[in-house]
Amino acid sequence: QKEVEQNSGPLSVPEGAIASLNCTYSDRVSQSFFWYRQYSGKSPELIMSIYSNGDKEDGRFTAQLNKASQYVSLLIRDSQPSDSATYLCAADGGATNKLIFGTGTLLAVQP
Amino acid sequence: DVKVTQSSRYLVKRTGEKVFLECVQDMDHENMFWYRQDPGLGLRLIYFSYDVKMKEKGDIPEGYSVSREKKERFSLILESASTNQTSMYLCASSEGTGEAYEQYFGPGTRLTVT
Repeated sequence: QKEVEQNSGPLSVPEGAIASLNCTYSDRVSQSFFWYRQYSGKSPELIMSIYSNGDKEDGRFTAQLNKASQYVSLLIRDSQPSDSATYLCAADGGATNKLIFGTGTLLAVQP
Repeated sequence: DVKVTQSSRYLVKRTGEKVFLECVQDMDHENMFWYRQDPGLGLRLIYFSYDVKMKEKGDIPEGYSVSREKKERFSLILESASTNQTSMYLCASSEGTGEAYEQYFGPGTRLTVT
């Protein structure tokens, strides 16, 4: 069974701090990884994609991928209360067109 | 921008009713997906389609069927709604394979079956 695992949280950080969200995946065949943000009662919104080992930065967000350790992370710099949401990690399902989603980490940014 | 729309944001149906949930995407995507999301269980894939008239079962297809007659439209059908199908239903689409696995979600339909 292909799995993506995340700590459910909540992860609580003060405003202005760096939030670090982590994810591990079980299938070594996976090549594409995604982070989605989901506000309460809303649908998931794609915020980052990463395909190669290393870091990828987009504004206050940095995605990190380590395929050898099967580990993906998302760093949010200068966290804002508006970043409070559930963050879903996803990996491609190998030869299928599907994504395997983790159950999400709830982030709470305290003003 | 990719736009995925769903026919209803909120829906209340009675046990035993046949329920249709519709999803439309405007980006000519090959793949379309139906998920349900429940607290503590995350996103669970019900069905997906990689081409017109093609469908594949996901992880929890029981009690559901789908239809894809046109590329842009993917419908989820609850043949006989039951209370355990009360959930948030999310439709998504993606372009295809390779680095185009990224999925874009519609706003969701919160279905209550009484």
